Amino acid sequence: DVVMTQSPLSLPVTLGQPASISCRSSQSLVYSDGNTYLSWFQQRPGQSPRRLIYKVSNRDSGVPDRFSGSGSGTDFTLKISRVEAEDVGVYYCMQGTHWWTFGQGTKVEIK
Amino acid sequence: EVQLVESGGGLVKPGGSLRLSCAASGFTFNNAWMRWVRQAPGKGLEWVGRIKSKTDGGTTDYAAPVRGRFTISRDDSKNTLYLQMNSLKTEDTALYYCTTDDAGGPGYWGQGTLVTV
Repeated sequence: DVVMTQSPLSLPVTLGQPASISCRSSQSLVYSDGNTYLSWFQQRPGQSPRRLIYKVSNRDSGVPDRFSGSGSGTDFTLKISRVEAEDVGVYYCMQGTHWWTFGQGTKVEIK
Repeated sequence: EVQLVESGGGLVKPGGSLRLSCAASGFTFNNAWMRWVRQAPGKGLEWVGRIKSKTDGGTTDYAAPVRGRFTISRDDSKNTLYLQMNSLKTEDTALYYCTTDDAGGPGYWGQGTLVTV
């Protein structure tokens, strides 16, 4: 099974400052069709998860452009350019190349 | 607007059974691949299983912890997805989400239904 490892697991941030979450996979996420199926999800307190990013860097409809995804192969990053109060929650990466595996989650909180 | 509404959760004893439903609207359900994802209390996300559209074969796949005990099915005439859970274990206690399945993974999520074993 592909293991997804996120870091850090807890991320205190200052409003208006940038934040970055790393996600590493135990094997390459490049699929035979050339795509890399790595997505990012946000789960606000008490809510269902919401997809933010798919295929590494594509933002879902309605997702603010302060969220961006990057990476390749086994190393991926979610960046928030300027953290807002509504960004508090847990963020998960997920690979869909080898079935589905989620990372452990990174809790983002305001300092 | 896409809506996924799960129901059927509840309290069940170990070894018991439960059937979850997910009523879908706002998209062409019969063309959609669908999944179930669960989240144990205070824990992360874990996929349970997937069903393809009938035009793509209607086949199912399951995560190892539930294979042989859980069955996913669909009724396209009712725009409804099901999860039949048998031989339930305490470790199956979780909030069960119904999701759509596209190239980016789970695009739309329901609000979840809680199963307590």
